[in-house]
Amino acid sequence: DADVTQTPRNRITKTGKRIMLECSQTKGHDRMYWYRQDPGLGLRLIYYSFDVKDINKGEISDGYSVSRQAQAKFSLSLESAIPNQTALYFCATSDRLSYEQYFGPGTRLTVT
Amino acid sequence: TQLLEQSPQFLSIQEGENLTVYCNSSSVFSSLQWYRQEPGEGPVLLVTVVTGGEVKKLKRLTFQFGDARKDSSLHITAAQPGDTGLYLCAGNEKLTFGTGTRLTIIP
Repeated sequence: DADVTQTPRNRITKTGKRIMLECSQTKGHDRMYWYRQDPGLGLRLIYYSFDVKDINKGEISDGYSVSRQAQAKFSLSLESAIPNQTALYFCATSDRLSYEQYFGPGTRLTVT
Repeated sequence: TQLLEQSPQFLSIQEGENLTVYCNSSSVFSSLQWYRQEPGEGPVLLVTVVTGGEVKKLKRLTFQFGDARKDSSLHITAAQPGDTGLYLCAGNEKLTFGTGTRLTIIP
């Protein structure tokens, strides 16, 4: 079984809809991250959490929110999706001693 | 402004050739990671370099961290089709990733 899982893997939604992307991990890591990947722009950090009670904004947090429900679960929400949020979204984890990250398989989100 | 600049952006070479890709910044990093990403998958960690001037080898891949800890390089010897992918560098500070080098090895 994969150490970091993301659901859904693919999602098409309409402008204005609320959508949640979920991430679960079995690695026992304290730190979790959400990134989006766009062609030519690489991976950009949306939010990160160093433990269950810690939430931090990343480079591009506008239009997104997160919830850290447990050590193993970190969800990303788009309250009102817009077309320029169409992208690949990745969840990642790392332990508290390093920044070496382990990524999930990604969610391909399309907003029409 | 991208904190980490990777070059070249695209590279396509024949199987068996050698190549080097670069990751450069004006900032100092306490450590730097290299990842490889294949289509439809998340990035996979290859190596972490920590000490200025450090060289790490992973089979045919050689990673070097610059003396000033502002840059890094990845050298691949005798490239193989399995080396094809997007190579990303990442710096600890601000959890920043470079834009990547998309490498294609032609059989």
